[in-house]
Amino acid sequence: AQSVTQLDSQVPVFEEAPVELRCNYSSSVSVYLFWYVQYPNQGLQLLLKYLSGSTLVESINGFEAEFNKSQTSFHLRKPSVHISDTAEYFCAVSEREDGTSYGKLTFGQGTILTVHP
Amino acid sequence: GAGVSQSPRYKVTKRGQDVALRCDPISGHVSLYWYRQALGQGPEFLTYFNYEAQQDKSGLPNDRFSAERPEGSISTLTIQRTEQRDSAMYRCASSLESLTSYEQYFGPGTRLTVT
Repeated sequence: AQSVTQLDSQVPVFEEAPVELRCNYSSSVSVYLFWYVQYPNQGLQLLLKYLSGSTLVESINGFEAEFNKSQTSFHLRKPSVHISDTAEYFCAVSEREDGTSYGKLTFGQGTILTVHP
Repeated sequence: GAGVSQSPRYKVTKRGQDVALRCDPISGHVSLYWYRQALGQGPEFLTYFNYEAQQDKSGLPNDRFSAERPEGSISTLTIQRTEQRDSAMYRCASSLESLTSYEQYFGPGTRLTVT
C-alpha cells in the first residue's frame, strides 16, 4: 500500500519570499508523483507531475518540484510567491507498473499556503 | 470545452435518507474516478470506471455506497441510509484513459451534509 505525508498543514509566508511545501511518500513499487492545487471555491487542478526522466519538473507559474528517490520525497518550491498563490496544495502518487499507471491517486493531507502582503 | 461538472453542488439530507450524486465527465474521457474528502484531509479514492465497467470499488467504505456509469458517460454515486459520518466533499474526476493518461480533471465537488 502506498501513503503520502505532507509535513506541514499550514504555511504562512510573505509576498515575494521563497516557499517549500514538503511531501514524502511510501510505496513498495515505483510511483508517479503529482502536485495538485485548489484555489478557494474551485476544484483541484494539476500543478505539475513527475513521470520519468529529469527529476526536476516545473509548472508554468514558477513552481518546481524535485523527485528524490533515496529520500522518497517530492517537495514543491517557489523562489518568490505572489498573493495569487494562496491556495491548498496536495501531493499525490499513483503506482506504476511497466511504464503505465492504474490512475488511482493517493493524496496527502494537504498544505494550506497563505501569502501575506 | 466544458470541464467536469457535478450536481448538486451542495446537499443537506437527514440521517437515514438516500442520496444520489451525479458526475458529468469531460466529453470523450474514458476513465472516471470518485473520491471522498473529509474536512482537513486529502481526497480518498472510492471507485473507478473505464467506460461503463467498474474496474475497482475497493475504496467504497461499505455496502451502503454504490456507483454506476451505465452508458460510459455520466456516473452516479448513491449512498443509502445516510449517516452523519458520510458528511464530506465528494469529488469526481475524469481522464482520457487510465493507463497512459496521467492527468485527472476534477469537478467542483458535491458537499454532502447529513444532519
